[in-house]
Order: sequence, then structure tokens, then C-alpha cells
Amino acid sequence: SAVISQKPSRDICQRGTSLTIQCQVDSQVTMMFWYRQQPGQSLTLIATANQGSEATYESGFVIDKFPISRPNLTFSTLTVSNMSPEDSSIYLCSVLRGKTEAFFGQGTRLTVV
Amino acid sequence: AQTVTQSQPEMSVQEAETVTLSCTYDTSESNYYLFWYKQPPSRQMILVIRQEAYKQQNATENRFSVNFQKAAKSFSLKISDSQLGDTAMYFCAFMKGGSEKLVFGKGTKLTVNP
Repeated sequence: SAVISQKPSRDICQRGTSLTIQCQVDSQVTMMFWYRQQPGQSLTLIATANQGSEATYESGFVIDKFPISRPNLTFSTLTVSNMSPEDSSIYLCSVLRGKTEAFFGQGTRLTVV
Repeated sequence: AQTVTQSQPEMSVQEAETVTLSCTYDTSESNYYLFWYKQPPSRQMILVIRQEAYKQQNATENRFSVNFQKAAKSFSLKISDSQLGDTAMYFCAFMKGGSEKLVFGKGTKLTVNP
């Protein structure tokens, strides 16, 4: 298994501000994944973060809005920039073990007011 | 692109009884994996069960089993002897072989009643 520590667990932010979410894994991983779960909805992949290279963003997500850092093989951050109420969601980081088994952090519940 | 459909937004079951959650998917890939994830109110996503597409035998994990119908692109989850702790959102997910990216269905909210 993998232990993933994600913080903050929740936050309430003013519109127009930015929030950085941190994800720490208990062992080295090549790729880390960031998902968004809008209220009552499923999980949607935002981007894949590789150490030492630019993150790869999925359709509909851009680096200016969701910049990602991956300074080493156990840590990543996702920033939600210039927030609006539509960004209110749960954000989750995830890693894979054995190529197919995904483990998730406990999520960050973001509310933008 | 792959899609995953869960047609039951909500279901309920009595404790100790059996419930089946439905999932269908659409793909042209031959190498892929299917998953059921559980998300309790704590928000922690937990892998329940995994099925490799090339395996005909249905996966089983204790009280959880799947009915994988590859030709019909159906992947249902059966929970036997339901327990109160099974109350959660259940997500069906698809992963193309070699992709490492998950595509999720919209989820089914399961409530186990005492």
C-alpha cells in the first residue's frame, strides 16, 4: 500500500485568491496524479506530475489555473489560482503501485466564497 | 475516448443482504483494467476490487465480487452480507493498459440500513 498525506484537509477561501495543496507520499513514485471532484460528481483527472518535467494537463485544465510542482519523487503541490466559486471541489492526489493499483490522499475540500 | 456509466445514482440495502451495483463502459481497447472504488464519508478513496480484461475469471475479494461480461462491456459489483460500514459512494473506473490514468463513472451512493 501507499501512505499519502494531503493537506490542508479543508479550506474556505476568498474569490480571487490562490490555494496550494500539498501531497506527500511515504515512498518514491514516478508519477503523481491530481483529480478534482466537484460537488456530487465523479473524479476528473486534472494533470499528471512527473518529477523533473512539466506536468501533463488533461483537456479543459491549464497550467496558469492549476500550476503543479514536483520537486522530488515523494512530493507534489497543486495550486488553484485566482479562485472562483466554481472551483469549490474536493481535490485529491493519487499515486500508483504496481502500475494499476491507485492510492489516494484523503482529499482537500475547498470552498470558495 | 473511454466512458464509464453507472446508471444507479443511489441504492439502499438491508444489513446482511446482497446488493449489486451496475457499471457499463465503452472502449475499443483490448488491454484494460476495471476497478471498483469506495469513498466513505471520510472521503478516503479505497480500492475494493480490480479486474484484468484478459482474465475471464471474475475477481473476488471476501464479500465483494464482480460479474465481468466483456462482450457486453459490463462490470457489476456484488456485495454480499452487507454491513453498515459498506455505506459509501462506489465508483466504477477504467484504465487503459499502459495508461496509468483512471476514468471514473459518476458513482452510486449506497446506503446500508440496519
